[in-house]
Amino acid sequence: EVELLESGGGLVQPGGSLRLSCAASGFTFSSYAMSWVRQAPGKGLQWVSIFTGSDDGAFYADSVKGRFTISRDNSQNTLYLQMNSLRAEDTALYYCAKDRCSNCNTFDYWGQGTLVTVSS
Amino acid sequence: EIVLTQSPATLSLSPGERATLSCRASQSVGSYLDWYQQKPGQAPRLLIYDASNRATGIPARFSGSGSGTDFTLTISSLEPEDFAVYYCQQHNNWPLTFGGGTKVEI
Repeated sequence: EVELLESGGGLVQPGGSLRLSCAASGFTFSSYAMSWVRQAPGKGLQWVSIFTGSDDGAFYADSVKGRFTISRDNSQNTLYLQMNSLRAEDTALYYCAKDRCSNCNTFDYWGQGTLVTVSS
Repeated sequence: EIVLTQSPATLSLSPGERATLSCRASQSVGSYLDWYQQKPGQAPRLLIYDASNRATGIPARFSGSGSGTDFTLTISSLEPEDFAVYYCQQHNNWPLTFGGGTKVEI
């Protein structure tokens, strides 16, 4: 059974940093692209970043480019999101999502999310 | 960036009725369009991928159609558990984008 467990969220001041983690199990982690998708309170879904499973490339939404860095440790089956220079508008529930294949860019499993609150 | 516009924003229906949800893209996405369902307090669930393919375990009452810029998600006969918010997502271009959602309510 596929399981994705996010952690690392919390309250941080504007300009601060956080590192999110997503522990994966139940599938061959290294074979699939993995993404972060966020949802601001009461709002819709916004894709944040992806680490592909084929060529180890990474892509970002324009709103986080240069501030967020996605990475993965295939030996630990863990996905990360390093978030720097955080802004109030980054406040959201951050989901880790598994790709349907190595580079389908479709999310077939999701974690339950970790909440990031950026406020002074 | 490809903008996905979902309509209507809210759909008020009764169990047993047919639901038709629309997703329109600002430029062609081919068939690279997915649909997700999200219930309150839960993570999204993949329903349809690549416009018309049901994901694993999704009931046959859910179907997707369309290509290019116009897509439709149809729920043939609403069950009580189908009342939720539905999102479309394109994966033809970077950045990946979602529509604003359609809430299906009783």
